[in-house]
Amino acid sequence: NAGVTQTPKFRVLKTGQSMTLLCAQDMNHEYMYWYRQDPGMGLRLIHYSVGEGTTAKGEVPDGYNVSRLKKQNFLLGLESAAPSQTSVYFCASSPSGLLNSPLHFGNGTRLTVT
Amino acid sequence: QQPVQSPQAVILREGEDAVINCSSSKALYSVHWYRQKHGEAPVFLMILLKGGEQKGHEKISASFNEKKQQSSLYLTASQLSYSGTYFCGTRRSPASGGYQKVTFGTGTKLQVIP
Repeated sequence: NAGVTQTPKFRVLKTGQSMTLLCAQDMNHEYMYWYRQDPGMGLRLIHYSVGEGTTAKGEVPDGYNVSRLKKQNFLLGLESAAPSQTSVYFCASSPSGLLNSPLHFGNGTRLTVT
Repeated sequence: QQPVQSPQAVILREGEDAVINCSSSKALYSVHWYRQKHGEAPVFLMILLKGGEQKGHEKISASFNEKKQQSSLYLTASQLSYSGTYFCGTRRSPASGGYQKVTFGTGTKLQVIP
């Protein structure tokens, strides 16, 4: 029972470098989400997807891009990393059409940008 | 906008009770509650769907006042294992759009001491 798997778990980038965070879920969920967590600010939604091939902006989308080419995978990209993107990133998924369904979270990726 | 949680932090002795509040400026369809231990992913506690609904989970229960757009989490006879940060997540009503998103509050840090 893997659930939601995020890779990598940790990463250090230099300013201006790029990287992709991978989220994979094996529960056949339609909805997937990317959040960032910073001290005192809770979980803020970056982008989300309601199905394969669809993406939408959340509350803090600037500096990030996403893709959902396969239903089970949701990729978060940073084209040119900035120190302000130092954070813990969580991916989550939930079934579609069931608004009473909880989010299932991955274990997070801790990203440091120097 | 993120829902507002209060208090931001609370310290309890084992056996004491606590209430955590979550309020939104938007019409809500549902409220989620999650607990996060340090360095771990958020873990689902419960979802409330209907106005005035109250649900329970062991000694943790919650209420949802749809008209006031508020939810409260009640922790009774607290145990050491209750320590962590509690987050409320809200979904807006389908009629208002954006219901696919779950927007989280800034969190309440709860510490239970012996």
